[in-house]
Amino acid sequence: NAGVTQTPKFRILKIGQSMTLQCTQDMNHNYMYWYRQDPGMGLKLIYYSVGAGITDKGEVPNGYNVSRSTTEDFPLRLELAAPSQTSVYFCASSYKRGEETQYFGPGTRLLVL
Amino acid sequence: DAKTTQPPSMDCAEGRAANLPCNHSTISGNEYVYWYRQIHSQGPQYIIHGLKNNETNEMASLIITEDRKSSTLILPHATLRDTAVYYCIVPPGGYNKLIFGAGTRLAVHP
Repeated sequence: NAGVTQTPKFRILKIGQSMTLQCTQDMNHNYMYWYRQDPGMGLKLIYYSVGAGITDKGEVPNGYNVSRSTTEDFPLRLELAAPSQTSVYFCASSYKRGEETQYFGPGTRLLVL
Repeated sequence: DAKTTQPPSMDCAEGRAANLPCNHSTISGNEYVYWYRQIHSQGPQYIIHGLKNNETNEMASLIITEDRKSSTLILPHATLRDTAVYYCIVPPGGYNKLIFGAGTRLAVHP
């Protein structure tokens, strides 16, 4: 199993541009999550999904959108990039509710200039 | 939601046991304690979790006090590769939400 994979590894965006961060897991996990981590800080939950077609907001959803059309994929969309979205983005997945053992991807480093 | 308190940093000599404390005095009876770590620039890695009994796996041991208000993560023989930020997390009810605080930065030195 590859686990949780994320692309791209690194990206520079100009203010106002849009992009999609890709996340795929091959563990057949129902739950998937997007976090962001600012320098020297802990992770903050952006959005999560409990299954295909079901998503919900986390702590810091503003400026982001998600969709979950398949079990495997959970892309994160930035529509109008702002410097405040400069961060490292981690995707994670877990098997079931009540088991908070989440498996994280390697992260996408995003720089908005 | 149960909040956790951890020391910001700790040091440990290579080969010695690293004991990382965590206070979670407002924990509810059915809430688990989870430990994750994050090695520089990598995604967080699950270590261990427990409810009320002590737990051990190939990575670490978790000791939870009888009143469940605190716990200690033990790395029995720390290596340089254990240098990381360690997060103690008590997930609130709901859909597997992990709330990451600042954690403890563990430095293992030769």
